[in-house]
Amino acid sequence: SAVISQKPSRDICQRGTSLTIQCQVDSQVTMMFWYRQQPGQSLTLIATANQGSEATYESGFVIDKFPISRPNLTFSTLTVSNMSPEDSSIYLCSVANSASYEQYFGPGTRLTVT
Amino acid sequence: GENVEQHPSTLSVQEGDSAVIKCTYSDSASNYFPWYKQELGKRPQLIIDIRSNVGEKKDQRIAVTLNKTAKHFSLHITETQPEDSAVYFCAASRGFGNEKLTFGTGTRLTIIP
Repeated sequence: SAVISQKPSRDICQRGTSLTIQCQVDSQVTMMFWYRQQPGQSLTLIATANQGSEATYESGFVIDKFPISRPNLTFSTLTVSNMSPEDSSIYLCSVANSASYEQYFGPGTRLTVT
Repeated sequence: GENVEQHPSTLSVQEGDSAVIKCTYSDSASNYFPWYKQELGKRPQLIIDIRSNVGEKKDQRIAVTLNKTAKHFSLHITETQPEDSAVYFCAASRGFGNEKLTFGTGTRLTIIP
């Protein structure tokens, strides 16, 4: 499976600020997904990022709050904008190829908003 | 959209015994059902998956069964060991990797030595 890294691994941010999380893969992948996992909870899909097209957001998540970039087949960013304490969570990227079924996760970014 | 329910939310078993976790899904078009294991502070790891053209799949001590008619699938872990302690998530999707996963709520499995 692909080697997936995320930066930063954790951060503590002030409310009202923004944080950009990076996801890097060591091989080209068709699809990249961004999930949120609140403490003790399951994984909730924020959006799907295709290279060369706009991200597709799930219900309850909007582009103004979570802008996503996907400039190439190995990299994506998720920005958490105008943060509030409710945004404190783990943010994970996952990757997949359209020719196969499996999705693999990055190590996650633990965000705390104070 | 898809809805995946998972039971139980917590499960404790004696080391060496078997553990079973069950999931149901709502979307009849779903045809791919992976299971992830997440240890504390770690990323979810894909441990086994099953596609809708198969009823059962085994990999050493773990197995997954699928009943498409009833829309449910289960994870079976035999001869449990302390390192099996983790949170397990089931998920469902409509197919290839370009399809999003919908996750169950998770099961915290504790193996009692």
